[in-house]
Amino acid sequence: ETGVTQTPRHLVMGMTNKKSLKCEQHLGHNAMYWYKQSAKKPLELMFVYNFKEQTENNSVPSRFSPECPNSSHLFLHLHTLQPEDSALYLCASSQEGLGGYEQYFGPGTRLTVT
Amino acid sequence: AQSVTQLDSQVPVFEEAPVELRCNYSSSVSVYLFWYVQYPNQGLQLLLKYLSGSTLVKGINGFEAEFNKSQTSFHLRKPSVHISDTAEYFCAVSDSGAGFQKLVFGTGTRLLVSP
Repeated sequence: ETGVTQTPRHLVMGMTNKKSLKCEQHLGHNAMYWYKQSAKKPLELMFVYNFKEQTENNSVPSRFSPECPNSSHLFLHLHTLQPEDSALYLCASSQEGLGGYEQYFGPGTRLTVT
Repeated sequence: AQSVTQLDSQVPVFEEAPVELRCNYSSSVSVYLFWYVQYPNQGLQLLLKYLSGSTLVKGINGFEAEFNKSQTSFHLRKPSVHISDTAEYFCAVSDSGAGFQKLVFGTGTRLLVSP
């Protein structure tokens, strides 16, 4: 595997379900991000982990719970979601401190909440 | 806080014609600027970036962009487009003093290239 991978690619869940999105980066980076991409809206930064520590939480509802067990893996745990949470969830990683400032994105998980 | 405006939600163009995708930003501090491209069913891929130095930045796939500080713009251009350039293009800005890459994205411009 290379780059940033995300699983599953597609997910349909009911409002009472609990599911998790997984992201893995194979780039040796030290920062990872979750974004939400909804139609006709800018990408919304949800969470940032820098060296496994959460450094940003952009007022995300508590029904979204991130977990970063190590610098290569990032999870987004989902529970009691709402239909408006249907979107493409993108994971990204970057190497802070080297000046490259490029974020590498995964292909995303298309989430549909019914 | 920064913000990005991409006024054109969709730009139709014929193959081999030139194209310009507009991006304006707002910030009270020095910024870094980026253009990303998203092909269908894929994540975002970096096209080019401006960090400092020359205001004309060249990227992948023949794209280039010019940073204009006085007009707070970072327009993306390509002299001759291909069908394969059909995609969504996102302009993004970040605070150059931020400890990590907090990118603020525009709403995107869909480039539609037809034969």
